[in-house]
Amino acid sequence: GEDVEQSLFLSVREGDSSVINCTYTDSSSTYLYWYKQEPGAGLQLLTYIFSNMDMKQDQRLTVLLNKKDKHLSLRIADTQTGDSAIYFCAESMDSSYKLIFGSGTRLLVRP
Amino acid sequence: NAGVTQTPKFQVLKTGQSMTLQCAQDMNHNSMYWYRQDPGMGLRLIYYSASEGTTDKGEVPNGYNVSRLNKREFSLRLESAAPSQTSVYFCASSGTARAGSNQPQHFGDGTRLSIL
Repeated sequence: GEDVEQSLFLSVREGDSSVINCTYTDSSSTYLYWYKQEPGAGLQLLTYIFSNMDMKQDQRLTVLLNKKDKHLSLRIADTQTGDSAIYFCAESMDSSYKLIFGSGTRLLVRP
Repeated sequence: NAGVTQTPKFQVLKTGQSMTLQCAQDMNHNSMYWYRQDPGMGLRLIYYSASEGTTDKGEVPNGYNVSRLNKREFSLRLESAAPSQTSVYFCASSGTARAGSNQPQHFGDGTRLSIL
């Protein structure tokens, strides 16, 4: 079945790197997405990776994909207090255009 | 840049009342979605519309109806609100939804609905 799992909470110090992890079960995933949700707001698309890629870098964000282990990670370099938010990973699959979301990881950045 | 606009932002209802949540997008997207977000459960798909004139049930459709009024607008209706429907509701849109294609969804800011 379709399932996307994330750890619930991550706390880091300002200036450190943050790594948010996600695992998924459906091997037919085609695109994997990272969204950011700030308090009281909707989900903002941060980045995405195609399933035939291993890594994608976009400024402070690095996405790593391990297809064998069905593991996706989002690394935020030089984490700032403005990065405090909930981060969702989501997958789309060959068989459907619907997105399957994880339950979100709350990132707290300590000054 | 408006993107996806949801109204209202907040609403309190009594059990049994009805209400329609409005959503409009200005990105010329074909596909639109309604989700609910509950603590610890992420986003769950209620209904979606792959294109104008079509709607389909998602993961949690019971107690809801939808209308794809035109390409821009997709409304969600609660006919007889129940306390279990207290949640934050998000509307999203994406380009033409095809299996295996890159169609990131773009979200509105949500409607916070409380049912007493």
